[in-house]
Amino acid sequence: QKEVEQDPGPLSVPEGAIVSLNCTYSNSAFQYFMWYRQYSRKGPELLMYTYSSGNKEDGRFTAQVDKSSKYISLFIRDSQPSDSATYLCAINTNAGKSTFGDGTTLTVKP
Amino acid sequence: EAQVTQNPRYLITVTGKKLTVTCSQNMNHEYMSWYRQDPGLGLRQIYYSMNVEVTDKGDVPEGYKVSRKEKRNFPLILESPSPNQTSLYFCASSRTSGNQETQYFGPGTRLLVL
Repeated sequence: QKEVEQDPGPLSVPEGAIVSLNCTYSNSAFQYFMWYRQYSRKGPELLMYTYSSGNKEDGRFTAQVDKSSKYISLFIRDSQPSDSATYLCAINTNAGKSTFGDGTTLTVKP
Repeated sequence: EAQVTQNPRYLITVTGKKLTVTCSQNMNHEYMSWYRQDPGLGLRQIYYSMNVEVTDKGDVPEGYKVSRKEKRNFPLILESPSPNQTSLYFCASSRTSGNQETQYFGPGTRLLVL
């Protein structure tokens, strides 16, 4: 079993929809939680970073962490065609080791 | 301009021929890391470095070496490349301050081992 499992997708939504992307993890040593966006043929771009349970908001993006359930989510409000990309969750230990989910490809249709 | 540079961007080589992929950052970040990305597998961490002369194995270190002799550079060395190391490689650097993380990825190096 993988240490980080990500909902596989692909996901296709109409413009303006709320998108929910989800990951679960198994290792309690994981302390830091990230979401990345990756456009085709580009490097990943860090969207959200947090280390505590609860919600963190940045514009149309909200990252949610539930450490008791080992579950993290990324919500995108008012989704736009420009949000079409692959989204990756990643979780770090305190020592800097990173484990990524396999990614969810999102398409937002105009 | 803040950036992470990788060289080369594209490389075709043959099995067993040693190669080095360079990574350099201009932001004075302490943390640097190498990843490989294969279709359907997300990113997998190869090695990471918390600071100069401090390196640690990620999830897939076999067949790779790294060094961190100075803060800005973190080269990835393949001593004897094999076809299963054909992949897209990314280098990244980052700094954490409280609940904020600043991270940059390089543009990627596409490697084909014949």
